[in-house]
Amino acid sequence: DGGITQSPKYLFRKEGQNVTLSCEQNLNHDAMYWYRQDPGQGLRLIYYSQIVNDFQKGDIAEGYSVSREKKESFPLTVTSAQKNPTAFYLCASSIRDGKNIQYFGAGTRLSVL
Amino acid sequence: KQEVTQIPAALSVPEGENLVLNCSFTDSAIYNLQWFRQDPGKGLTSLLLIQSSQREQTSGRLNASLDKSSGRSTLYIAASQPGDSATYLCAVLSSASKIIFGSGTRLSIRP
Repeated sequence: DGGITQSPKYLFRKEGQNVTLSCEQNLNHDAMYWYRQDPGQGLRLIYYSQIVNDFQKGDIAEGYSVSREKKESFPLTVTSAQKNPTAFYLCASSIRDGKNIQYFGAGTRLSVL
Repeated sequence: KQEVTQIPAALSVPEGENLVLNCSFTDSAIYNLQWFRQDPGKGLTSLLLIQSSQREQTSGRLNASLDKSSGRSTLYIAASQPGDSATYLCAVLSSASKIIFGSGTRLSIRP
């Protein structure tokens, strides 16, 4: 089955710890995205990547880092600099055709211990 | 700066009713508008996409309209069912790389 896989489904972070959220896609999409969703709010863009080895900051990149070493993978690291990391994180991918129809993973819920 | 607003934040209707969800945006220079469904604790599923040159799109019991000049879109759900209960988000594509999401309407269909 083609799709986007996010892992883990639930993640807990201790204070001062960096944690990494995984996002893998087998749709052969060039572009990948990371969003943060807080309760009762829409999605806010953290980082996006249009092509391997290239990525751009979104609206709320502070305290986060990403890499794009492979087309299939776009991991997100939540660093200790992110003081309010508790949220639902969604990864998406799309074809670079101008329509930007994004396909989403099932999400990772991050909580602070 | 593009802003997307969805009102109401929550809606509860009895099963079988037809209903309309609203989405407004501040900048009419959009490429397209999408409606998504999100079940609790899950990712987003695309329901309908309307290109900027289109007025509406239909899929089964769902019909989405777009009025760029007034900055509005509506999602019409006919003959609602309990399985339609979810959060519905609209999103506009204002540039080739960036989608702006509304905060969603949480819909509950009462049996």
